[in-house]
Amino acid sequence: DQQVKQNSPSLSVQEGRISILNCDYTNSMFDYFLWYKKYPAEGPTFLISISSIKDKNEDGRFTVFLNKSAKHLSLHIVPSQPGDSAVYFCAASAGTGNQFYFGTGTSLTVIP
Amino acid sequence: GAVVSQHPSWVICKSGTSVKIECRSLDFQATTMFWYRQFPKQSLMLMATSNEGSKATYEQGVEKDKFLINHASLTLSTLTVTSAHPEDSSFYICSVYAWSVNGYTFGSGTRLTVV
Repeated sequence: DQQVKQNSPSLSVQEGRISILNCDYTNSMFDYFLWYKKYPAEGPTFLISISSIKDKNEDGRFTVFLNKSAKHLSLHIVPSQPGDSAVYFCAASAGTGNQFYFGTGTSLTVIP
Repeated sequence: GAVVSQHPSWVICKSGTSVKIECRSLDFQATTMFWYRQFPKQSLMLMATSNEGSKATYEQGVEKDKFLINHASLTLSTLTVTSAHPEDSSFYICSVYAWSVNGYTFGSGTRLTVV
């Protein structure tokens, strides 16, 4: 059973606009969330994290929002750049240092 | 930083042979390493948790005799796919939790193709 879901397999956005990637989870024990970016034939690169004690975490152009009641998190990229084109995975765990459960990824294409 | 080196990056082998994949933490010690597998259009699935100096913990459905994991030192874990079959063709990635950066670092992954 997929505990972390990314229902949009792909997303296209114009350069300079906002990209919003969504992620839903089912396990209420999850309290630590990550977003990863992955280029083809490479391993995922850590992007940004958020713990359940916060509802927002910002790092430059990247902001992650967490809605615990809805079991939903989203990644906002603004402004989007062509170099942001990659597959983005969200992941969740119950506690830091523990196993992560990954979504299936959303392929983002930023159009110049 | 927290750099994890994984190699080979890709390998093609004949059915029935064994393939070893190495995962090294270059600038920090890793008591625990995680091995993931990703099939096309599917999410990363945890295969096993590799603990330094002890036996690995395998996830349900993962054959421990087929996917041998050795974590003999604090900087190296190896995954050996024994008697590989075409259905083992996949993308294998190791991951390490680095307390120094409070996050997970991934290796670059290994694309295994069994013919």
